[in-house]
Amino acid sequence: GAVVSQHPSRVICKSGTSVKIECRSLDFQATTMFWYRQFPKQSLMLMATSNEGSKATYEQGVEKDKFLINHASLTLSTLTVTSAHPEDSSFYICSLSQGNDPDGYTFGSGTRLTVV
Amino acid sequence: GQNIDQPTEMTATEGAIVQINCTYQTSGFNGLFWYQQHAGEAPTFLSYNVLDGLEEKGRFSSFLSRSKGYSYLLLKELQMKDSASYLCAHRGGYNKLIFGAGTRLAVHP
Repeated sequence: GAVVSQHPSRVICKSGTSVKIECRSLDFQATTMFWYRQFPKQSLMLMATSNEGSKATYEQGVEKDKFLINHASLTLSTLTVTSAHPEDSSFYICSLSQGNDPDGYTFGSGTRLTVV
Repeated sequence: GQNIDQPTEMTATEGAIVQINCTYQTSGFNGLFWYQQHAGEAPTFLSYNVLDGLEEKGRFSSFLSRSKGYSYLLLKELQMKDSASYLCAHRGGYNKLIFGAGTRLAVHP
């Protein structure tokens, strides 16, 4: 399967600042990537679908002005948490799909964000 | 709607068999997935069902009934390392995966 590199793996930031998380597809040209958020002991909640060269598609209830997604190339999607607050502290993880193969979903290693 | 329901927590004994159930509602079915996730890590693909019936892969099996909107994951010969969260998911538009809340399984000696 594809190889996905996500950075940083862990970040601590001050309340009110912005944090950028990168998700790189190292060996696959991904026109679509997915961003998930996971709070402790909860499941992966899809935030948005990142589309190369166009606007991201956000899930209901996700603030697009707070969670900025940029997918400027076929190998890089970024998620920027703007004006972060402690309630944004969570595990953020990206994913991509290689066609319809059920085993074709590859996940990044995740980013643990802590806002203090 | 795209609702997925799973039990929140389960416990089992090492060496035993455990069945984790999942019910779902979706406007367009396109496959049912099971993933394993250890805390703080990415989920790992376990199984996929698109047709009714049982799919077996070693110690793990998954069953699907599309008419009932029901699936289960069966884990045999439980090992301590099987303690993890098990996520049921189905595929939505643009190939996105929609996950259930997950079932935390604790395996005890």
